[in-house]
Amino acid sequence: SAVISQKPSRDICQRGTSLTIQCQVDSQVTMMFWYRQQPGQSLTLIATANQGSEATYESGFVIDKFPISRPNLTFSTLTVSNMSPEDSSIYLCSVRDTNEAFFGQGTRLTVV
Amino acid sequence: GQNIDQPTEMTATEGAIVQINCTYQTSGFNGLFWYQQHAGEAPTFLSYNVLDGLEEKGRFSSFLSRSKGYSYLLLKELQMKDSASYLCAVAGGGGNKLTFGTGTQLKVEL
Repeated sequence: SAVISQKPSRDICQRGTSLTIQCQVDSQVTMMFWYRQQPGQSLTLIATANQGSEATYESGFVIDKFPISRPNLTFSTLTVSNMSPEDSSIYLCSVRDTNEAFFGQGTRLTVV
Repeated sequence: GQNIDQPTEMTATEGAIVQINCTYQTSGFNGLFWYQQHAGEAPTFLSYNVLDGLEEKGRFSSFLSRSKGYSYLLLKELQMKDSASYLCAVAGGGGNKLTFGTGTQLKVEL
């Protein structure tokens, strides 16, 4: 199993600013995943954070908007850049085990 | 790409049994997950199926048919606290990432 600490748990931000979300895992993992969950929606994968290489982004998501860092095997950050109200969502980091995927508690972002 | 379908909403009675279906299309299938998510909380793992058949875990069971691209989650002896969103997620595309369905909002009534 894995325990994931994610922070901040919530934030209210002004449009045009940026927010960096941190994700810390209690064990070394090869890949970490960042998801977005918009109000009333399911989870959508933003990108896969790989240690030692650039993140792999899903269709519709770009590095300029969602830069990701992965400095080591237990930590990653996701930045939401130049925010607009449409970025108001819950952002979740996740790691995968053989037969389970673990999630952080999520960051509830509201952009005003 | 991957395509995952599940009903948007379901309603059931306390003490009853409910089955939530999930159909999927994917390449490089690497397992199917079910998660429960209460409003405002992170998803909670329920089950994982990678081989055909039924996996039982207490009041919850999950079934998989890979040839049909089909899974269901069975909840028995429903309780009010089971009211939540149930997410079907498929691991595929040759990697470890999960693709989630839209989720089924289950409402348990008296």
